[in-house]
Amino acid sequence: SQKIEQNSEALNIQEGKTATLTCNYTNYSPAYLQWYRQDPGRGPVFLLLIRENEKEKRKERLKVTFDTTLKQSLFHITASQPADSATYLCAPLRSWGKLQFGAGTQVVVTP
Amino acid sequence: DTGVSQDPRHKITKRGQNVTFRCDPISEHNRLYWYRQTLGQGPEFLTYFQNEAQLEKSRLLSDRFSAERPKGSFSTLEIQRTEQGDSAMYLCASSEDRDTEAFFGQGTRLTVV
Repeated sequence: SQKIEQNSEALNIQEGKTATLTCNYTNYSPAYLQWYRQDPGRGPVFLLLIRENEKEKRKERLKVTFDTTLKQSLFHITASQPADSATYLCAPLRSWGKLQFGAGTQVVVTP
Repeated sequence: DTGVSQDPRHKITKRGQNVTFRCDPISEHNRLYWYRQTLGQGPEFLTYFQNEAQLEKSRLLSDRFSAERPKGSFSTLEIQRTEQGDSAMYLCASSEDRDTEAFFGQGTRLTVV
């Protein structure tokens, strides 16, 4: 069955540094990969979508890569700020498939 | 359009009772998803609809759970004979299509006592 894995340990990072999160998937070949942010007690909020034929996508201080050979996506937050503290979820999708999430990685940015 | 709306926001029920939650998606969104989330975990997929058709239901879901989306608009999720293990946040999301961003509601927090 398809499996989505994200770093289970919280990522503690100093303000201004770059946070890098990993999303690995197995047993399927997604056509797209989405990243979401979730704050405590709230629903996830969409951040970025990257397609299988795109190697990299950027949005403001966010950068996502998608390596279909390694079956991995990396999510970078550059010049991190305390307001970036949240849980980040990845969701690799087949072209016909359902939206299914990894367990998420918590990011804590300290001043 | 005010986004995805879920009702109620909170529900406390006694074990063994039935509960029903409602989700109003963004209008004209074809896809509607239901998830369950417990503390420290990512959203766990329950089921999803394309318009009024239920396309998949999680195999982890017992027969006590049922969902409907009549006429492809709002959706309801019913849990029969609730158990303490059903206590969780239930999230609904909608999207225009399969490869577009999903918008989530605020969730319904269920507590079974």
